Amino acid sequence: ETGVTQTPRHLVMGMTNKKSLKCEQHLGHNAMYWYKQSAKKPLELMFVYSLEERVENNSVPSRFSPECPNSSHLFLHLHTLQPEDSALYLCASSQGLAGGRKTQYFGPGTRLLVL
Amino acid sequence: QKEVEQDPGPLSVPEGAIVSLNCTYSNSAFQYFMWYRQYSRKGPELLMYTYSSGNKEDGRFTAQVDKSSKYISLFIRDSQPSDSATYLCAMTDTGNQFYFGTGTSLTVIP
Repeated sequence: ETGVTQTPRHLVMGMTNKKSLKCEQHLGHNAMYWYKQSAKKPLELMFVYSLEERVENNSVPSRFSPECPNSSHLFLHLHTLQPEDSALYLCASSQGLAGGRKTQYFGPGTRLLVL
Repeated sequence: QKEVEQDPGPLSVPEGAIVSLNCTYSNSAFQYFMWYRQYSRKGPELLMYTYSSGNKEDGRFTAQVDKSSKYISLFIRDSQPSDSATYLCAMTDTGNQFYFGTGTSLTVIP
C-alpha cells in the first residue's frame, strides 16, 4: 500500500448505529487530519493530530470521536449521526505542522450516507 | 465574508486551450498556497505548492501568487481531457487551520 488509504470506501448507516472510519498513511508523516466534504461547500477541517496528540478540534459535534493510536493510523468513530452528516470524509497526512511540512496528502475518502 | 472565494464554474474548454483558475482570499496572514485536483469519487491530489508570492512551474502547470492583491492562479497549458476534474485552492498561515475554496469544475472537450 502506498500513500493514504481509507476504509471503508462507502458506508450506509442508520441514525442509531455505531461505526468507525479508518485511515492509514504509509508516508512516514507525523500529522493527520479528518475533513468533511459536502457538495458545493469547502472542505471542513474537523480534527488535527500531531504525533498522536489532538491539536485542533473545530467545534465538531460529540457524535464524531477521533482516535489516533499512533502516527500511521487515525480513526473516526461515529455514533447517533444525523442525515445532514452524510458527506465524503477525507483523511489527510503531512510531514508536520510547520511551514512547508504542512503540505497535505489526501486519502480517497469514505462516502457516508446516514439514513 | 468567506476566507477563500473560488468560482465554482463549471468551466468547459476545448483540448489544447490554456486554462486559468483563480482564488481570492481575505486573510493577509496566509503564506502557504496549494492547488489540488480532485477526480470524481477520489480524494484531492496535490498539484502545486507555493510559499509566499511568486510563480512556480511544473510541466504544463503554473501557479502564481500575488499577495498584494490576495489573489492566486493556476494555469494549465495545452489542456488535455485527462485534466477534467475539480480544482481546489487551499491556503494556510502559521497555524493549524487550512482554508479551501469550493472548487472549480473543469471539463476539457476532445
